[in-house]
Amino acid sequence: NVLTQSPATLSLPRGERATLSCRARETVASDWLAWYQKKSGQAPKLLVYGASNRAPGVPDRFTGSGSGTHFTLTITRLESDDSAEYYCQQYGYSYTFGRGTKLEV
Amino acid sequence: EVQLVESGGDLVQPGGSLRLSCAVSGFSLSTYDMNWVRQAPGKGLEWLSYISPSSSTIYYAESVNGRFTVSRDNAKNSLFLQMNSLTPEDTAVYFCAREKIAAGLDYWGRGTLVTVSS
Repeated sequence: NVLTQSPATLSLPRGERATLSCRARETVASDWLAWYQKKSGQAPKLLVYGASNRAPGVPDRFTGSGSGTHFTLTITRLESDDSAEYYCQQYGYSYTFGRGTKLEV
Repeated sequence: EVQLVESGGDLVQPGGSLRLSCAVSGFSLSTYDMNWVRQAPGKGLEWLSYISPSSSTIYYAESVNGRFTVSRDNAKNSLFLQMNSLTPEDTAVYFCAREKIAAGLDYWGRGTLVTVSS
């Protein structure tokens, strides 16, 4: 199940809101869609699972939404530390990652 | 504290083999699904392999099927990835990750670098 993320890059000022999109070619089974944050030299960090469930310890500025084939990660009140690559992943049938969105704050 | 530590990455010639290890602590490996994921230089994350707690179910990405073999030793709290017939396209940082049922990959290691070059 191919996942298409958009935009590829996003540059926004601090304090603004970022909206990241992830579209699946086929319906994601059980809405088993996760979002990860990846910084250079660090391990990926789980942000959201099951499309809209925030992982433990993740600030409420990060919100996942969507179902079926269209999913969104919204990051409000952007901080410099949010600069990273963000990946969506479906795990409903096998496993697939999107190509990522690079966010610059 | 949950920790995953990969090791075994190295410089290897094309056609060569390498065995990666992932040592886990802070949880019982025998109760979790585990995965391998890689990131090539300048590229995105690529899922490679899944193994169930008892090793009864194993999946591979098409790109590595037939060349890579995942295994685990729950008694030794270790996960392995045997990589054969390596090509330069396999150059990447390799991560092991714990999977929580229906909840994605919740813990990851920091990765180990594999470089395939002559």
